[in-house]
Order: sequence, then structure tokens, then C-alpha cells
Amino acid sequence: AQKITQTQPGMFVQEKEAVTLDCTYDTSDPSYGLFWYKQPSSGEMIFLIYQGSYDQQNATEGRYSLNFQKARKSANLVISASQLGDSAMYFCAMRGINAGKSTFGDGTTLTVKP
Amino acid sequence: DAGVIQSPRHEVTEMGQEVTLRCKPISGHDYLFWYRQTMMRGLELLIYFNNNVPIDDSGMPEDRFSAKMPNASFSTLKIQPSEPRDSAVYFCASSYTLQSYNEKLFFGSGTQLSVL
Repeated sequence: AQKITQTQPGMFVQEKEAVTLDCTYDTSDPSYGLFWYKQPSSGEMIFLIYQGSYDQQNATEGRYSLNFQKARKSANLVISASQLGDSAMYFCAMRGINAGKSTFGDGTTLTVKP
Repeated sequence: DAGVIQSPRHEVTEMGQEVTLRCKPISGHDYLFWYRQTMMRGLELLIYFNNNVPIDDSGMPEDRFSAKMPNASFSTLKIQPSEPRDSAVYFCASSYTLQSYNEKLFFGSGTQLSVL
């Protein structure tokens, strides 16, 4: 079974500052992928970043980076230089090699203050 | 590519009516997922298909829900009879197989269902 835990229901950050959204996971799959998705108020789900369980380096995509600590089973999302448009719900998800489905956390609502 | 296409975008119906949600996945994707999103329960996986075959329907709430994928380019999620507690946003998503665990999901825009 797979489980994703996001312990921060809501977060606030000042514009232009960095913010870390926490995600821990649990799985018995030997290989797996970790994903972050963004859901703005308009409702669509937008893929942000991916980290493979065997990737040696942390993934980065523009202002997004994933702080992957395999031994601690954590995959935190770091957003640098926050912008007002970053205000949204953020979901951590994982997908294991033995299961085609993706498991999602409960999400974190991020609010960027001007 | 047009992305994952869901219809309708909004559906308002009365309790007891049949509701059919539709999804067209991205061409070439062989995984298709139906998720339901509510404030109380978050994102729940209802069912997913691989190569048009249902693989896991353990998330389907009850017999009132059914899903089909008659071909690689079309899937439906049906609720009969509908109840107010079925009100939610229903997302369809698709992905490639390849190594599956490293494939992201492509989501449709969702169907906002309101059962009165």
C-alpha cells in the first residue's frame, strides 16, 4: 500500500520569499516516482515536478525544486522567489512500479502575501 | 494534442437521476484514471484502466457507480441513481505506461457535479 502525508493544511509566505511544502510517503515498492501538482482556484491540476526513487540528484524545474531524502521518506517541494500566482493548493503524489495508480496527499493551500 | 477532454464541465441534476460523465484521454496513453475531489475527502481514486481493462475499482463507492472504457479513446463514469452526497468534482486523467511509475498524470478540466 502507498500513503502520502502532507501535514500542512495551509501555509503563508511573503512575496519573493522561499517556501517549503512538506511531504512524507510510505511504500513497499522498490521503485517509485514522486510528483507535485498545483491546483489553482480555477480547478485544473497542473504537473510541477517529478523525482524518481533512484535519482541521485534532487529534481529542479525553474523556481521549483524537490528536496528528496530517501532515508527519511520525504519529498518536500521548495518554491523560490514566491509570486502571487503561486497561491494555490499543492498536492504531493506517488506512483509505484507495482501499481499503476497514483496516490495523492490531502494537499497544502499556499497563500502568497503581497 | 488537445489534452484530456472531459464533458460536461458542469452538471446539475436532481436526486435519483442518472448522470454520465465522459472522458477522452490523450491519444497514445494507455492508462486512464477517474478521481473524485471533495473538501471532506480530498482526491479519491475511483477506478483506473490499463489498455481499456479495469485494473482496480476498489475506490468505487457503491454499486450506483459504474465505469466503462469501450475503446482507447473514450471512457464513461455513470452514477445511477444519483444522490446529493455524490456532489463533487470528478477528474479524468491519463498517462503513458512505459515504466509507469515515472509517468505523470495529465488531468482533464474536471466535471463539477451538483446533485440537488
